[in-house]
Amino acid sequence: AQSVTQLDSQVPVFEEAPVELRCNYSSSVSVYLFWYVQYPNQGLQLLLKYLSGSTLVKGINGFEAEFNKSQTSFHLRKPSVHISDTAEYFCAVTPTGGFKTIFGAGTRLFVKA
Amino acid sequence: DTGVSQDPRHKITKRGQNVTFRCDPISEHNRLYWYRQTLGQGPEFLTYFQNEAQLEKSRLLSDRFSAERPKGSFSTLEIQRTEQGDSAMYLCASSPQGENSPLHFGNGTRLTVT
Repeated sequence: AQSVTQLDSQVPVFEEAPVELRCNYSSSVSVYLFWYVQYPNQGLQLLLKYLSGSTLVKGINGFEAEFNKSQTSFHLRKPSVHISDTAEYFCAVTPTGGFKTIFGAGTRLFVKA
Repeated sequence: DTGVSQDPRHKITKRGQNVTFRCDPISEHNRLYWYRQTLGQGPEFLTYFQNEAQLEKSRLLSDRFSAERPKGSFSTLEIQRTEQGDSAMYLCASSPQGENSPLHFGNGTRLTVT
């Protein structure tokens, strides 16, 4: 079985500041890793994914994430946030060879002017 | 790609009534999922279809919940004898064949049981 822990439920940050949203996972098998974003009153959409290869992956809107196998982490970062980045961010894992995607509880990012 | 469509967007019902939600996936996607999301939580897996076959149903899911995907196209999720604890956002997602394919979500159906 897999589980995902997002260490911060809320992250307030000022506009143009850097941000890191933390995600740790637990799994007895290899997994694919994803970050999804949910803007207010919208459905979840894919931000970025790690399947294999380079551990640093880049996504939409200037976000990137780094896979750390030894620490079972997949933290999301952005060097300079905008007001429009205010949203809820979900880390998720899918076991290789499987189909069930497991989500963390989410981190609500508030970007303040 | 017209996206995943869910209907209705909102449903208010009285406890004990039955409700049915519909999901139209992206047409070329053969995988379809239902998730439930409550306030402050991430999406929780409910069930999964590959084409018309329901391959897994969450053990946490009550027998009052049933889902179908006739002909491998749209899907319906029915909740019988609704309870207040069923109040949540019900999300549908689809994906193409391929174990590493990300999910494409609809905007969800918000259910309120009074």
